Amino acid sequence: AQTVTQSQPEMSVQEAETVTLSCTYDTSESDYYLFWYKQPPSRQMILVIRQEAYKQQNATENRFSVNFQKAAKSFSLKISDSQLGDAAMYFCAYRSPPAGIGASGSRLTFGEGTQLTVNP
Amino acid sequence: ETGVTQSPTHLIKTRGQQVTLRCSSQSGHNTVSWYQQALGQGPQFIFQYYREEENGRGNFPPRFSGLQFPNYSSELNVNALELDDSALYLCASSPTIWTNEQFFGPGTRLTVL
Repeated sequence: AQTVTQSQPEMSVQEAETVTLSCTYDTSESDYYLFWYKQPPSRQMILVIRQEAYKQQNATENRFSVNFQKAAKSFSLKISDSQLGDAAMYFCAYRSPPAGIGASGSRLTFGEGTQLTVNP
Repeated sequence: ETGVTQSPTHLIKTRGQQVTLRCSSQSGHNTVSWYQQALGQGPQFIFQYYREEENGRGNFPPRFSGLQFPNYSSELNVNALELDDSALYLCASSPTIWTNEQFFGPGTRLTVL
């Protein structure tokens, strides 16, 4: 079974600064997907960024980028120019490629989360 | 386009009771997954439904059951509630089981006393 570990329960950053959230995972699969989700106090889980394991290029979405190290099974999230609205719980998640009907490959396995505080 | 909605927002039950939580998938989505998120933890996969059939289940006992209807809305039923069932229950819909992204609802906060 796959596991996802986030070793930083809490992180803080000054507004406009850069912060990196860490995530490691364990899997024997060669093809999979990784995600970062943001959960603000409203509880709505919002997709921040995703990475396909077969892609060597790191994904980027505006101020958000990842450092995907497949051999090290590491998937960190970098937030640049942090804004007050970035304050939230961030979850790293793993997903196997869906194997069709009857398979359970399309579930998300989440880490424990990192609470990000942005200081003005 | 209407997003994923869940009802109720929160509810309180007592141990031993039964509860039904509801989820309305995003329009055009035929796959729904349910997750349990205990306080301070990441979500845990309960099960997934695809075109009204269960398509994968996590490590949850049989007293957790579900339904998906022809319009792709769904229910999560929990019988014989236990104190540890207190959690945020999230549903997430996808256009199909082969789609990578899951779109989450705002969740239902269940408290078991």
